Amino acid sequence: EDQVTQSPEALRLQEGESSSLNCSYTVSGLRGLFWYRQDPGKGPEFLFTLYSAGEEKEKERLKATLTKKESFLHITAPKPEDSATYLCAVCSGNTPLVFGKGTRLSVIA
Amino acid sequence: DSGVTQTPKHLITATGQRVTLRCSPRSGDLSVYWYQQSLDQGLQFLIQYYNGEERAKGNILERFSAQQFPDLHSELNLSSLELGDSALYFCASSVSGGYNEQFFGPGTRLTVL
Repeated sequence: EDQVTQSPEALRLQEGESSSLNCSYTVSGLRGLFWYRQDPGKGPEFLFTLYSAGEEKEKERLKATLTKKESFLHITAPKPEDSATYLCAVCSGNTPLVFGKGTRLSVIA
Repeated sequence: DSGVTQTPKHLITATGQRVTLRCSPRSGDLSVYWYQQSLDQGLQFLIQYYNGEERAKGNILERFSAQQFPDLHSELNLSSLELGDSALYFCASSVSGGYNEQFFGPGTRLTVL
């Protein structure tokens, strides 16, 4: 059974304090790993798709990387508007996405 | 704005009742997915439709059912509602039925009293 574990559950950063979120996964044949951002009461917003180990994607202050067992979402010099829950999901074969429980990020000015 | 629309935004009903949630996918997307999100469970996959046909089933209760219509919009029907069914229900869509990124709608918040 595909499993996704995200850590930490919650992270509090000062504005400008860079850090990383972790997504560990166990799947039988990874087809894709997805990162989403979710604001309270809103639908998840798509950020990145990673398909193979060694791949990296960047968008503004966010950078996602992928290894054979985990993915990291690096946040460089975060701002208060980056506060949200970040969700990781994996897809193997033709199975639907399996989501982790997310990391709740708070960036304090 | 993802391009996925959901109605209604909020729904308040009583135990034992039946409700219908509606979703319109992004233009050109053939797959529709339904998810339930409660505080302690995270995002749980319920069911997927691809071009009108059921493609995959997750943790969907027998009291719940869904369908996708010829114009590709989808409806999720929840019946014999219980207090524990209170949650956010999200619809997502993707271009195909495989491992593409999914784009989520704004959700319907269901409260069962």
